[in-house]
Amino acid sequence: QQQVKQSPQSLIVQKGGISIINCAYENTAFDYFPWYQQFPGKGPALLIAIRPDVSEKKEGRFTISFNKSAKQFSLHIMDSQPGDSATYFCAASTPINDMRFGAGTRLTVKP
Amino acid sequence: IAGITQAPTSQILAAGRRMTLRCTQDMRHNAMYWYRQDLGLGLRLIHYSNTAGTTGKGEVPDGYSVSRANTDDFPLTLASAVPSQTSVYFCASSFLAGVSNEQFFGPGTRLTVL
Repeated sequence: QQQVKQSPQSLIVQKGGISIINCAYENTAFDYFPWYQQFPGKGPALLIAIRPDVSEKKEGRFTISFNKSAKQFSLHIMDSQPGDSATYFCAASTPINDMRFGAGTRLTVKP
Repeated sequence: IAGITQAPTSQILAAGRRMTLRCTQDMRHNAMYWYRQDLGLGLRLIHYSNTAGTTGKGEVPDGYSVSRANTDDFPLTLASAVPSQTSVYFCASSFLAGVSNEQFFGPGTRLTVL
């Protein structure tokens, strides 16, 4: 049973559109919520991360929204570009670095 | 070396054989991790080590063992490989404490057990 549930499995967005990926968790011990981006044949790389003491974090075109009471968080990619096409994983980690990943979302941005 | 290296890049292995996947980091990170990645399941933690000389079990540890003799190296051993261990294996490392828990991942090892 996955501790972090991610949706959708796949997403197709037009260039310039907004991509939204959602995650939900159950374990209230999680205190660090990163998003990783993975290109084919490569390892995942950190995109953006948030701690539960803030409700939103923005870095460039990427924003994490965090709802502690609902135990949900989401990634928004504004002005999506073909170069953003990749698989995105949400994750949640406890203070002892026990990291649990969502199943992943394959994003395709059409030109 | 810059970052994390893994070897081999890929391997085809007969069931029942012993295999060690190698991982080396040069970032002086305290913590190291092994994950397996399977389609539709994301990445699942196999074993981790928060510091040299200590290891711990993750989400899916059965059939795997690890050791951490020093800071830089964290090998993963399959004592007797089975087909269900066919997967892509990623090693990662991070600082144990601090502002960022960012884990840095290696390029992966694609393992096929026949």
